[in-house]
Amino acid sequence: AQSVTQLDSQVPVFEEAPVELRCNYSSSVSVYLFWYVQYPNQGLQLLLKYLSGSTLVKGINGFEAEFNKSQTSFHLRKPSVHISDTAEYFCAVRATGGSYIPTFGRGTSLIVHP
Amino acid sequence: EAQVTQNPRYLITVTGKKLTVTCSQNMNHEYMSWYRQDPGLGLRQIYYSMNVEVTDKGDVPEGYKVSRKEKRNFPLILESPSPNQTSLYFCASGRQGAINEQFFGPGTRLTVL
Repeated sequence: AQSVTQLDSQVPVFEEAPVELRCNYSSSVSVYLFWYVQYPNQGLQLLLKYLSGSTLVKGINGFEAEFNKSQTSFHLRKPSVHISDTAEYFCAVRATGGSYIPTFGRGTSLIVHP
Repeated sequence: EAQVTQNPRYLITVTGKKLTVTCSQNMNHEYMSWYRQDPGLGLRQIYYSMNVEVTDKGDVPEGYKVSRKEKRNFPLILESPSPNQTSLYFCASGRQGAINEQFFGPGTRLTVL
């Protein structure tokens, strides 16, 4: 079984400032890792994913995340946010074999102020 | 346009009245799934389907049924809805070779009185 902890339920930040959204996971097996974004009144959209290889993963809209196996973390970062980045962000994990059931974190609300 | 559609988008019903939420995708995806989203709990998978006539339980299947008679459609059935099924529901689909990249529908907000 896996679990995902998103350490901040809400992150307020000013426009053009850097941001980091934190995600830690727990699993007894190897996992794939994902970040999704949900804009108001919309479904989720995949931002980026880590399957294997380089631990630094680049996604859409200028976001990136780094997989740290020793700290079981997959934090999401952006060097300069825009108002349009205001949304809910979800971290998720899925076992690499067997179960196709992903486990999502509870979400972090990113609020970008002008 | 490639998309996942859900109907209805909003539904208010009463306890015990059977309902169906439809989900359709036009991307020829093998994999489809249903999630519910509740405040403070994130998304939890209800059921998923790897292909036509193949369905499996997710984390929270109790009180729900699904069917996959056609590749494009994956309806969610609540035979006897209860207030604890009030939630925001999302359907998603993905290619069998790229299940990790799921495409989500716009959501169905269900209220059971």
